[in-house]
Amino acid sequence: AQTVTQSQPEMSVQEAETVTLSCTYDTSESDYYLFWYKQPPSRQMILVIRQEAYKQQNATENRFSVNFQKAAKSFSLKISDSQLGDAAMYFCAYSNYGGSQGNLIFGKGTKLSVKP
Amino acid sequence: DSGVTQTPKHLITATGQRVTLRCSPRSGDLSVYWYQQSLDQGLQFLIQYYNGEERAKGNILERFSAQQFPDLHSELNLSSLELGDSALYFCASSNPSRDSRLDTQYFGPGTRLTVL
Repeated sequence: AQTVTQSQPEMSVQEAETVTLSCTYDTSESDYYLFWYKQPPSRQMILVIRQEAYKQQNATENRFSVNFQKAAKSFSLKISDSQLGDAAMYFCAYSNYGGSQGNLIFGKGTKLSVKP
Repeated sequence: DSGVTQTPKHLITATGQRVTLRCSPRSGDLSVYWYQQSLDQGLQFLIQYYNGEERAKGNILERFSAQQFPDLHSELNLSSLELGDSALYFCASSNPSRDSRLDTQYFGPGTRLTVL
């Protein structure tokens, strides 16, 4: 069975600085998809970024980028120019398919605090 | 706003009771997923429906059941409730296309269930 591990229960970053959240996963599949979701205090689950395993190029979305290391089964999220609104729980998630034909498997989450 | 709606937002009930949670997917989305988020279990996949049919099951208890109706809305029924069923229940929807790589699950705001 696939598993997702987030080893950092909590992280802190100064406003305008850069922070990296770690995620490792375990799978025997060759084609899969990885996601980072953000859950602010409102509890809404918001998609931050997604990565298809077949793509070697790392995904980027504005200030958010990933470092996808397929051989190491590592999928870290880098947040640049951190803003107060980035404070939230961040969940790494895995799916065997395109996120629509397979359920998401989540890590335990990393709580990110942003200091002004 | 993801376009996925869930009702009610909050539900307080007693042990042994039965409740129904409702989810309306984004317009055009055929797939609906149910997830449970609790402090001790984290985010767990419960069940998926696609165009009215059950497609995948996760860690869903026998006391729980779901269905998807012809208008594509879905209901999650929880019966013989126990204290441990207190959690945030999310619905997510997606629109599988021929190229599943384009699809992503979008989450509703969740229903917070408290069992007293």
